[in-house]
Amino acid sequence: GNSVTQMEGPVTLSEEAFLTINCTYTATGYPSLFWYVQYPGEGLQLLLKATKADDKGSNKGFEATYRKETTSFHLEKGSVQVSDSAVYFCAFWGNTGNQFYFGTGTSLTVIP
Amino acid sequence: EAGVAQSPRYKIIEKRQSVAFWCNPISGHATLYWYQQILGQGPKLLIQFQNNGVVDDSQLPKDRFSAERLKGVDSTLKIQPAKLEDSAVYLCASSLEAPSGIETQYFGPGTRLLVL
Repeated sequence: GNSVTQMEGPVTLSEEAFLTINCTYTATGYPSLFWYVQYPGEGLQLLLKATKADDKGSNKGFEATYRKETTSFHLEKGSVQVSDSAVYFCAFWGNTGNQFYFGTGTSLTVIP
Repeated sequence: EAGVAQSPRYKIIEKRQSVAFWCNPISGHATLYWYQQILGQGPKLLIQFQNNGVVDDSQLPKDRFSAERLKGVDSTLKIQPAKLEDSAVYLCASSLEAPSGIETQYFGPGTRLLVL
């Protein structure tokens, strides 16, 4: 069935460190892939997305590349800031069942 | 542009009581979603409306949960009677068009429910 496996947290990094949050998916076909972010006290917000294989989504210094061969969509940022502290969710839109599937979320804390 | 509004933000009830949540989507958004997010898990879709019609409610526990979107704008989600395992954050989201696989969903801040 459809599912998302996301790197478990919590993750704690120092400011300016490199960030990778792993995400792999199981789906029928080649769905669009998304990263959502939830800042403390706020609702989920779209961070970036990619709609086909080899596409790279990017926003606010974050990047993720749609890797069809490894069914992965890992989130990366070269230099994190304290303001990046949030929970990050990987998700995809299932072609069957017509609904969103979310990972369990990865909590990131960036310390000065 | 105003975002998705939800109320209340927090609710504490005892098991077997009833509770209702309200959502007002972004103006002009045709599609509205309700999600349940249990602590430590990702959001799970409960029901999806296209205007005032239900598109998908396959994961809604219909023996106790109900939802409506009568005029195709705001929506209510009700639980009656509540169980301990219903403790979660209930998220409302909306999107401009019907789900196409690439449509962006905009989420409200959620209602945190605690059932004692």
